Order: sequence, then structure tokens, then C-alpha cells
Amino acid sequence: NAGVTQTPKFQVLKTGQSMTLQCAQDMNHNSMYWYRQDPGMGLRLIYYSASEGTTDKGEVPNGYNVSRLNKREFSLRLESAAPSQTSVYFCASSDLLGGEAFFGQGTRLTVV
Amino acid sequence: DAKTTQPTSMDCAEGRAANLPCNHSTISGNEYVYWYRQIHSQGPQYIIHGLKNNETNEMASLIITEDRKSSTLILPHATLRDTAVYYCIVKSGNQFYFGTGTSLTVIP
Repeated sequence: NAGVTQTPKFQVLKTGQSMTLQCAQDMNHNSMYWYRQDPGMGLRLIYYSASEGTTDKGEVPNGYNVSRLNKREFSLRLESAAPSQTSVYFCASSDLLGGEAFFGQGTRLTVV
Repeated sequence: DAKTTQPTSMDCAEGRAANLPCNHSTISGNEYVYWYRQIHSQGPQYIIHGLKNNETNEMASLIITEDRKSSTLILPHATLRDTAVYYCIVKSGNQFYFGTGTSLTVIP
């Protein structure tokens, strides 16, 4: 079992460029989440998906869109990257909404 | 939304018990307390969770006060590999609010 897999691990973007962060889990979990973590801070929830076909905003959704492609995959899209979106992004999944969550290893994104 | 308050940092001698406190005075009756830790910049790792009874697993023990306004995570025999940031989290609705956590340093 790979658990939660995020791609890419590192990315540098120019301001205004777009990109999609990919996340896949192989644990047959219903719920998936996207968080960002800035230096010296805890994780902040961007979006989550309680089940396939549903998505909801978290604490800091502005500037992001998500797609729950199927039960395994939950992608995060930056349409027009800004330097304020420089962060480490973590994807997570859980069996029950809010149950024990398993995290990926993160995507380190720099916007210049 | 219930939020948590934790000390910014703590030290613990290797082999001793590490007791990490957390205040969650606005917690609601059906909200669980979760603990996660994050080593270096890896993804957070689940440790334990509870509602109102004390809980124990192979990693740690969780002590929740009777009024549920605070809790303590206990690592019974801290090792150097337990050096990490520990997050006390109250699940509010469908969301986990992580806060800034406690940076635990285990000293040889």
C-alpha cells in the first residue's frame, strides 16, 4: 500500500501560471482533504471532499479549485498562481469524514 | 468552532515521560480531541484521539479532563525519534483545525 501519494514533490511557478497538484489514495477512503502549511504555522484546510462527487470550502479556499475525479483522486488547481500561494501543500484522506486522516508527503510550491 | 491552545515548545529527557498539555475550553459535547505529530516537514502522523474517556494505544496515552476543557498527551518513554511538532486538534464539523502545535525536543 502506498497510502496517499502526491505529485509533484517540488514545483516552481511564475506569477500568473496555472498548475494542478495531484493526489491519489489507495485505502478506499471516502473523504479527502487539501491543506497548506506556511513557515511556523500549522496546517490550514483549503478544500475537502466528504465523498466522491462532493466538495466543500475550508478555511482558505480563495485562489484554488478542486476536483474529486473519482474515489481515489482529489486534485487541487491554481488558476493564476500568486507569490502568496508559496507554501507546502498536503493532501489527506480518511475513512469517515473527520476520522483518522492519513497524509501524503507534501508538495513544496514556490511562486516567483 | 472549538480551537486549541498549546505551549509553543517543550523539552523532555530521553527515556522520561513527555506530557504535552492542550486547552480546548470551547469544545462541544460531541467533538473529539485528536493528536497528530509532524516530524521535520513530513506529512502529519496520527497518534490518538478520544471523546471523554482516557485512551491508550501503542504510541501514547490521552488523558481528557472530566469537564473536557483540556487534555494531555503522554509519551511514556520519549526517544530522540519523538522530537516533532505535536498538534492537538478538535474536529469541528467536517474540519480539523491544526493550530501551531507544540515543538517537542527530546534531549539525550
